[in-house]
Amino acid sequence: DIVMTQSPDSLAVSLGERATINCKSSQSILYSSNNKNYLAWYQRKPGQPPKLVIYWASTRESGVPGRFSGSGSGTDFTLTISSLQAEDVAVYFCQQYYTTPTTFGQGTKVEIK
Amino acid sequence: QVTLKESGPVLVKPTETLTLTCTVSGFSLSDSRVGVSWIRQPPGKALQWLTHLFSDGERSYTASLRSRLTISRGTSASQVVLTMTNMDPADTGTYYCARKIGWAPFDCWGQGALVTVSS
Repeated sequence: DIVMTQSPDSLAVSLGERATINCKSSQSILYSSNNKNYLAWYQRKPGQPPKLVIYWASTRESGVPGRFSGSGSGTDFTLTISSLQAEDVAVYFCQQYYTTPTTFGQGTKVEIK
Repeated sequence: QVTLKESGPVLVKPTETLTLTCTVSGFSLSDSRVGVSWIRQPPGKALQWLTHLFSDGERSYTASLRSRLTISRGTSASQVVLTMTNMDPADTGTYYCARKIGWAPFDCWGQGALVTVSS
């Protein structure tokens, strides 16, 4: 199985500042035939189900604010919140859907400093 | 509006069988390329994908739990049922059902059902 490792486990960022979360896969999740990275990011707020934020490593899901962006390729990926808002407090986790079984990172808790 | 909702027992005894139902609305389980997965999260651990039901009826399972899992259509056309046998306290956690379309991430999740395994 592909192992997804996130860092850090938690971070505290001031309102309006940048938050950066990293995700590393144990093998490449870039499919050469279509040049797509099979990597998604989810946001889970307390008491709510996970919400898809980014897919194909860098495509924002419809309705997701522009301050969220994804980058990276191959085995190393990043989720960036350019200007943290109070409503962004949540746990964020990555997922590879390149192979079965799909696997997830352990999650990164984002809080306000 | 696409929604999924899990239902089932909150407490299960060790060795018992867990049955959870995912009721969907806003889409059909027969829609092309649509599928529903069950995913769980034990306390303090990462999400773990368990099983998937494709619109054509095909199923896939995580290898480590294959012998204990069954995914199937429910009595209603809008239900997907997870059956997990021989429950153990290590199976305690939140169980989610989620939809995906084709080879893609999960675009919609249920609220989750917290299941505790204890005598």
